Amino acid sequence: AQSVSQHNHHVILSEAASLELGCNYSYGGTVNLFWYVQYPGQHLQLLLKYFSGDPLVKGIKGFEAEFIKSKFSFNLRKPSVQWSDTAEYFCAVKVDDYKLSFGAGTTVTVRA
Amino acid sequence: EAGVAQSPRYKIIEKRQSVAFWCNPISGHATLYWYQQILGQGPKLLIQFQNNGVVDDSQLPKDRFSAERLKGVDSTLKIQPAKLEDSAVYLCASSLGPWEFFGPGTRLTVL
Repeated sequence: AQSVSQHNHHVILSEAASLELGCNYSYGGTVNLFWYVQYPGQHLQLLLKYFSGDPLVKGIKGFEAEFIKSKFSFNLRKPSVQWSDTAEYFCAVKVDDYKLSFGAGTTVTVRA
Repeated sequence: EAGVAQSPRYKIIEKRQSVAFWCNPISGHATLYWYQQILGQGPKLLIQFQNNGVVDDSQLPKDRFSAERLKGVDSTLKIQPAKLEDSAVYLCASSLGPWEFFGPGTRLTVL
């Protein structure tokens, strides 16, 4: 069965620091890749997605992610975080347009 | 565009009681999903509907969980009887294309 692994459970950093969240998946077929974000008290929102084409995708709020097929990875990055980026981040994979599988999530706390 | 609506937002019940959750997807979205999110984990798909037909319910504990989507719009998810381990957030999502829009969820606490 496919699985999605997020490397960090909780990340704490200061404003203006750079952020990188790791995500690896275990399926070798055609994949659609997603990062969702859940701000405190809010529902899950799509941050960015990759279906095909340029492996470097840009999402909302200055986030980007890079798909590296050989490493089965889809890491999320932001060069300079803000306090408002405090949230839980979920990597998700959809295989062959089938069901969405989520990682366990990474809680990001940004200190002012 | 209105989002996915869910009710109630919070529910506290005792074990062995029954509970039902309601979801109204985004208008026009043919696909509807129910997820269970246990604290500290990512959402897990319980059931997926395409219009009013079930596409995937392989992870739905059918001895106690049931879901329906009459008329291909609103959906209800029921748990009967509830167990302590059912404490979780139940998320409803809908999609028209290849990505999903999530509702605010219902937080269920089973005592």
